[in-house]
Amino acid sequence: EIVLTQSPGTLSLSPGERATLSCRASQSVSSSDLVWYQQKPGQAPRLLIYGASSRATGIPDRFSGSGSGTDFTLTITRLEPEDFAVYYCQQYERPPLYTFGQGTKLEIK
Amino acid sequence: QVQLQESGPGLVKPSETLSLTCTVSGDSITDYYWNWIRQPAGRGLEWIGRINTSGSTNFNPSLKSRVTMSLDMSKNQFSLRLSSVTAADTAMYYCARDPFRSSFDPWGQGTLVTVSS
Repeated sequence: EIVLTQSPGTLSLSPGERATLSCRASQSVSSSDLVWYQQKPGQAPRLLIYGASSRATGIPDRFSGSGSGTDFTLTITRLEPEDFAVYYCQQYERPPLYTFGQGTKLEIK
Repeated sequence: QVQLQESGPGLVKPSETLSLTCTVSGDSITDYYWNWIRQPAGRGLEWIGRINTSGSTNFNPSLKSRVTMSLDMSKNQFSLRLSSVTAADTAMYYCARDPFRSSFDPWGQGTLVTVSS
């Protein structure tokens, strides 16, 4: 089973700043199988990025994903107040198994 | 626009079976993978399993011995059964679609299941 480790655990930034969130895998992950979600309190997760770098429908272009192999990054340029939330990375491997990172909490500084 | 809605008992006794249903609206449940995911309060996400429209299932190895899933295309629903529950199974349970992108989109709003006597 591939283990995903996200860092930092908590990131404190101000609106307008740039956020860089990391997701490191214990083994190489196909870029097509690396995904990012945003979860706000009391809500279900929302798909942000699939295939490591493709934005889901309706996701603003300030969100971008990059990386390959074992190191992946979610970048949010010019943070908006509504961006403060918990972010999860997730990978898919075969035989079918989906696993999530433990999450990064993005909080207002 | 596809929408998913979970339903089922919010309280289950230890050693009994948790049963949940996900109703899909806005599209027919004739393709893709249909999934269950859970999240204990204040914690991370755990994939439980999936079913496709051929009835083929895949489960998380950590839960495989206790999980069954089924799908009813006539009702546009799919279901989860988790047997021999304990307090460790207390969580928010979500249903979600995998549109063949190794991801989950959309998700239902979730339903809280508490295991307690």
